[in-house]
Amino acid sequence: EAAVTQSPRNKVTVTGGNVTLSCRQTNSHNYMYWYRQDTGHGLRLIHYSYGAGNLQIGDVPDGYKATRTTQEDFFLLLELASPSQTSLYFCASSERQKSQNTLYFGAGTRLSVL
Amino acid sequence: GDSVTQMQGQVTLSEDDFLFINCTYSTTWYPTLFWYVQYPGEGPQLLLKVTTANNKGISRGFEATYDKRTTSFHLQKASVQESDSAVYYCVLGDRDNNRIFFGDGTQLVVKP
Repeated sequence: EAAVTQSPRNKVTVTGGNVTLSCRQTNSHNYMYWYRQDTGHGLRLIHYSYGAGNLQIGDVPDGYKATRTTQEDFFLLLELASPSQTSLYFCASSERQKSQNTLYFGAGTRLSVL
Repeated sequence: GDSVTQMQGQVTLSEDDFLFINCTYSTTWYPTLFWYVQYPGEGPQLLLKVTTANNKGISRGFEATYDKRTTSFHLQKASVQESDSAVYYCVLGDRDNNRIFFGDGTQLVVKP
């Protein structure tokens, strides 16, 4: 079974702060994703990648950057954090394209922007 | 465009009750349909998946039938337990444009 590990599990920052969320998957999956989860909105896709060095824009990318440094590691960057980015963030991976394949999620990072 | 609708924000049942969570979808092609379950403090995990219309998916006592005629993928379980308390997401996978669409989720609360 795929293992997806996110760090930190909780993060508090101030408006305008710089935050990096980390994700590592250990099952050699090609695709990795960043989602945010908010009450009333379900899960919304921020960015995704299909390999090291690749980045694709998701549905809610504004205010976020991402970087895929290796097949295992995918980072989400908030360079000027705003209160609207307070949310629960999930990383996920899949072997092939997401529309037919199972997504394996990490346990999430809860981010608070004060 | 593609969409998934879960009308029930929360369902509250007692142990051994029958569970029915409504899910309907809209798409112009033949999607893959999923149910994911999210337990407290965890990320979502796959509960079941069906790739072919009119087929049924079954897992851990849960079942859902991909009904192309009614564009529905309702989740059912004959007898729920307190441990089934979680959020359930209906998800549509559109292979044509490689996108997936999450419903808003249904919170299931099972009382002992």
